[in-house]
Amino acid sequence: AQKVTQAQTEISVVEKEDVTLDCVYETRDTTYYLFWYKQPPSGELVFLIRRNSFDEQNEISGRYSWNFQKSTSSFNFTITASQVVDSAVYFCALSEADTDKLIFGTGTRLQVFP
Amino acid sequence: GAGVSQTPSNKVTEKGKYVELRCDPISGHTALYWYRQSLGQGPEFLIYFQGTGAADDSGLPNDRFFAVRPEGSVSTLKIQRTERGDSAVYLCASSLNRNNEQFFGPGTRLTVL
Repeated sequence: AQKVTQAQTEISVVEKEDVTLDCVYETRDTTYYLFWYKQPPSGELVFLIRRNSFDEQNEISGRYSWNFQKSTSSFNFTITASQVVDSAVYFCALSEADTDKLIFGTGTRLQVFP
Repeated sequence: GAGVSQTPSNKVTEKGKYVELRCDPISGHTALYWYRQSLGQGPEFLIYFQGTGAADDSGLPNDRFFAVRPEGSVSTLKIQRTERGDSAVYLCASSLNRNNEQFFGPGTRLTVL
């Protein structure tokens, strides 16, 4: 069965701190895709990254970086030098190659204080 | 270019009424998805279209829910005999093709009184 677990319900940090959001997934498929989305207070889900199961390279995009480890079924997201504008709910999601639907975790609410 | 649009942004209805929610995907995107998000939860999959056909409707909760995409572009989610438990934000997403990133619209907040 497919499942995504985001154990951290809420995280609070002060601006400029680094923060890591955890994501653990379950799937029986060998081909699958992992995603992160940001949902700011305005409500619209914003796509951040898509990673396929055959690409374990870590990725960096500005202050954002992602660590994909198949050995631990984890796809963690780190924000370096956090800013107030990073405050949002962040969702990790999984899709299997033959189903295409996204299975979301319950989200982690990040609050960055000035 | 224009993103995914959804209308109405808010819909308030009474228990037992029929509602239609509309989604206009990004131009050229062949895949279209409907999700439902309750307060404090992640979005839950409802149905997925590839072109005009529903490729996967396994997430529809019961036969009161139905969706169409007759010309392979705009889609309408239809809910009959609404119940208070149907209250949620209904999200639409589109992607260029299968297994690509999905881009979401702003959602329709449905409130059933």
